[in-house]
Amino acid sequence: QQQVKQSPQSLIVQKGGISIINCAYENTAFDYFPWYQQFPGKGPALLIAIRPDVSEKKEGRFTISFNKSAKQFSLHIMDSQPGDSATYFCAASKRTGRRALTFGSGTRLQVQP
Amino acid sequence: DVKVTQSSRYLVKRTGEKVFLECVQDMDHENMFWYRQDPGLGLRLIYFSYDVKMKEKGDIPEGYSVSREKKERFSLILESASTNQTSMYLCASRLTDGAGETQYFGPGTRLLVL
Repeated sequence: QQQVKQSPQSLIVQKGGISIINCAYENTAFDYFPWYQQFPGKGPALLIAIRPDVSEKKEGRFTISFNKSAKQFSLHIMDSQPGDSATYFCAASKRTGRRALTFGSGTRLQVQP
Repeated sequence: DVKVTQSSRYLVKRTGEKVFLECVQDMDHENMFWYRQDPGLGLRLIYFSYDVKMKEKGDIPEGYSVSREKKERFSLILESASTNQTSMYLCASRLTDGAGETQYFGPGTRLLVL
């Protein structure tokens, strides 16, 4: 049972374009939604995170948009650069009980020069 | 900077062997995790530990066990390795169980079971 569904599986964007990755969740007990970035040969690293009390969070070229009613959240990468080429994972964790992260299936982003 | 190290980057084992994957963190974190990463499946939680000698099953614990005798070290054990355990294994640590705490990952161990 996949509690966090991520799409697309892969994405090719031209340099300077906007990359958009979407995630949807079912469990309304989730209240923390991070995105992790993974480069080849490395472990994932936290990129940006949001809580459901806000609809958007921006850090530099990276923005999370959150739609609580639709139970969806997305990562937007503005002015995408070749250095952004990586695999991106959305995740979610609950506000009570076990707080381990549940990850999406990942999106491999390739930004072409 | 938090550092999470894993004992091996690559490992080749035979079916039926007992396999130990070691993970060490240097920031006195309470929580530690083991995930496996497979293409198209993302990261799936095997086990996690919220304190020394404490452990909890994740989503796919079958075929695995763990040990946490010291705070900085969390071991994943494959009692009898099978080919379907060929995967990338990632260890992570987190300061506390507070929601919103960042997880820090090691570089991973790519395990091949022949």
